[in-house]
Amino acid sequence: AQSVTQLDSQVPVFEEAPVELRCNYSSSVSVYLFWYVQYPNQGLQLLLKYLSGSTLVKGINGFEAEFNKSQTSFHLRKPSVHISDTAEYFCAVTSSMGGRRALTFGSGTRLQVQP
Amino acid sequence: EAGVTQSPTHLIKTRGQQATLRCSPISGHTSVYWYQQALGLGLQFLLWYDEGEERNRGNFPPRFSGRQFPNYSSELNVNALELEDSALYLCASKGRGKETQYFGPGTRLLVL
Repeated sequence: AQSVTQLDSQVPVFEEAPVELRCNYSSSVSVYLFWYVQYPNQGLQLLLKYLSGSTLVKGINGFEAEFNKSQTSFHLRKPSVHISDTAEYFCAVTSSMGGRRALTFGSGTRLQVQP
Repeated sequence: EAGVTQSPTHLIKTRGQQATLRCSPISGHTSVYWYQQALGLGLQFLLWYDEGEERNRGNFPPRFSGRQFPNYSSELNVNALELEDSALYLCASKGRGKETQYFGPGTRLLVL
């Protein structure tokens, strides 16, 4: 079984400032990792994913994340945020070993970008 | 390429009734997942259908059920609705042999 912890429920930040949203996971097997964004009254949009290979992955809208196996982390970063980045961000994990293949989500981090 | 679509966008039911939610996956995708996003409970896995078969289900009672049709679209049925079933129900699809799930806009179910 896997679990995901997003320690920060809310992150306020000023426009054009950098931001990091933290994600830690727990799993007894190898995993695939994802970040999704949810804008108000919408579904989830894929930001980026780590399946294998380079531990630094780049996604849409200028976001990137780094997979750290030793620290079981997959933190999301953006060097300069915009008002339009205000949304809820979810980190998710699934086993790479087959089986259920459903995503296990963190509780989400609400990013609030202020002018 | 069209994304995952869900219908209806909103659904209002009363306690004890049945609700039917529908999902059309991305063309060529064979797997459909259902998730519930309830206030305060986060995103929880409900059901997984692949190639027409139910492959796995989350920790939900049997009154949550569904099916997948030959065209890979899917239906989620919730019987004997309870107030706590009020939530956003998200459908996601995934291609054969692929790892990434793509989500639809959701159906917001309100049980009165």
